[in-house]
Amino acid sequence: DAGITQSPRHKVTETGTPVTLRCHQTENHRYMYWYRQDPGHGLRLIHYSYGVKDTDKGEVSDGYSVSRSKTEDFLLTLESATSSQTSVYFCAISGGPAELFFGSGTQLSVL
Amino acid sequence: SQQGEEDPQALSIQEGENATMNCSYKTSINNLQWYRQNSGRGLVHLILIRSNEREKHSGRLRVTLDTSKKSSSLLITASRAADTASYFCATVGGNNNDMRFGAGTRLTVKP
Repeated sequence: DAGITQSPRHKVTETGTPVTLRCHQTENHRYMYWYRQDPGHGLRLIHYSYGVKDTDKGEVSDGYSVSRSKTEDFLLTLESATSSQTSVYFCAISGGPAELFFGSGTQLSVL
Repeated sequence: SQQGEEDPQALSIQEGENATMNCSYKTSINNLQWYRQNSGRGLVHLILIRSNEREKHSGRLRVTLDTSKKSSSLLITASRAADTASYFCATVGGNNNDMRFGAGTRLTVKP
């Protein structure tokens, strides 16, 4: 998947616990994105990064935070997971305002 | 909210027929892209059309863009069973930093 790895691939957690998802790229791309995908909603942008320590909110950022301390890593943190955050999470990378390359996704279940 | 809205939500055709999917969006864009997603996988980029372009071709794919109507269409000619997937349009807006997706069209091509 174009040098992009998401971990873990599957995660089951309990309500109220913190969760961190990791996206790692080997392409040295500037832009990195976190999306969630839910039935009937397509992909919705959570947060994105346009460089190390440069991040911005997307359309569904409440309850999520991100960090990018290195070009290759973009972390998504759910400070206190809720059942509404059960979803499939996709990381994507891009060299510019052009095509995105997607990871394989992380299935997160919050019980 | 999502930028793009695909129509129809689901489409079922016979192998060999053409499939047309439409996308409408709300604000000005720099480019519009189409992606494909096979079940359980990440999205794969198909084609990009810039705001100053009206039509683009790639193999069996033809994309049109009408910025006055804020709409785009994706035509897949001579469809194959392997084209069965979900198709999403995505728009890149004025700040060039974030990409928003629609809810997708589920295409089923029957052999």
